[in-house]
Amino acid sequence: SAVISQKPSRDICQRGTSLTIQCQVDSQVTMMFWYRQQPGQSLTLIATANQGSEATYESGFVIDKFPISRPNLTFSTLTVSNMSPEDSSIYLCSARQSDEQYFGPGTRLTVT
Amino acid sequence: GENVEQHPSTLSVQEGDSAVIKCTYSDSASNYFPWYKQELGKGPQLIIDIRSNVGEKKDQRIAVTLNKTAKHFSLHITETQPEDSAVYFCAASIHGQNFVFGPGTRLSVLP
Repeated sequence: SAVISQKPSRDICQRGTSLTIQCQVDSQVTMMFWYRQQPGQSLTLIATANQGSEATYESGFVIDKFPISRPNLTFSTLTVSNMSPEDSSIYLCSARQSDEQYFGPGTRLTVT
Repeated sequence: GENVEQHPSTLSVQEGDSAVIKCTYSDSASNYFPWYKQELGKGPQLIIDIRSNVGEKKDQRIAVTLNKTAKHFSLHITETQPEDSAVYFCAASIHGQNFVFGPGTRLSVLP
């Protein structure tokens, strides 16, 4: 299995600012993903973080709002840009090994 | 595309009783079905999975069954304990690609 860590675990940010979330996997993985989870809701895929190329975004999510980097096979970042209160959520990093997909502990973001 | 439904949305059981959560999927090509447990303030944890070439899989107190014909799969927890209280998510995918998650079931185990 893959062990995933995220930083920060939580943050409170001002409207209009940006926050970068870091994700570190303890082993090389082929695929990494970023999800958003609203309180009491299921998991919504934001994008697939592609190593060495631009991320692949799901419908409703755009690169200008959620720029993603993946410089190598164990690390990725998600930036939430120009934040508004609607961006308050839990952001989860995920990694896939073979068929199995694992999740990090999440970053709880509150925008005031 | 794939659609995954999950029932019930909430479930309360007495400690020691069994709990069953059921999911249905729409794409007959889906062949990998994991279950995740998410405790408060934590990320989802993979607890058990099943592939389409088997009908049942067990791991201590938890088991998963799959009915490919009816396109549904279920999580069974026996001898429930308070630490089983969490939100459980099912998912379906094709060869580990394009995971689609169910809406979740909040399980409460009452002492």
